[in-house]
Amino acid sequence: ETGVTQTPRHLVMGMTNKKSLKCEQHLGHNAMYWYKQSAKKPLELMFVYNFKEQTENNSVPSRFSPECPNSSHLFLHLHTLQPEDSALYLCASSQGNGGTDTQYFGPGTRLTVL
Amino acid sequence: GENVEQHPSTLSVQEGDSAVIKCTYSDSASNYFPWYKQELGKRPQLIIDIRSNVGEKKDQRIAVTLNKTAKHFSLHITETQPEDSAVYFCAATWGAQKLVFGQGTRLTINP
Repeated sequence: ETGVTQTPRHLVMGMTNKKSLKCEQHLGHNAMYWYKQSAKKPLELMFVYNFKEQTENNSVPSRFSPECPNSSHLFLHLHTLQPEDSALYLCASSQGNGGTDTQYFGPGTRLTVL
Repeated sequence: GENVEQHPSTLSVQEGDSAVIKCTYSDSASNYFPWYKQELGKRPQLIIDIRSNVGEKKDQRIAVTLNKTAKHFSLHITETQPEDSAVYFCAATWGAQKLVFGQGTRLTINP
């Protein structure tokens, strides 16, 4: 359960705030992902990083800004969010061998935008 | 793009009975199909996966079947137990390293 960690676990922010979510993986993986999970919606892929390089941006609004300084850490910087951005934000990691490697999820950050 | 449809959205079975969840996908190039279990307030956890070169895989009470021609795959849970109650998500690969998830099935095991 400690392979992928996320902080904070809960976050409440106003629409004008700037905050960051942090993800760290201890599995020696090379790929990291951000997902959004809303009530009544499937897990939505947001970003993919391979060996620190962004390889996928799934049409995510610019108020979400990812950063991957190394293969073990992934951040999601939040700015001028909307109430509809309230959701569970999940980080995941995988070996990075291509499309068939297992993704391991962190516990998520429950974000509430007021 | 890839689309994954999952049915049913909710499923209630008696303890000891079997549960079946079905998914269909649209991208014929998909080659990896994992199933995740998410208990309330917890992270999704992989319970079983299948690759396109096999038609069936089993792990104790859990099995997955894949029909590539029809582009559908199913999760089978036998001898269900209360701890099987959770939301189950299927997924299929789309391109390189992208997973597209189904909408989820809330499974309730009634004692």
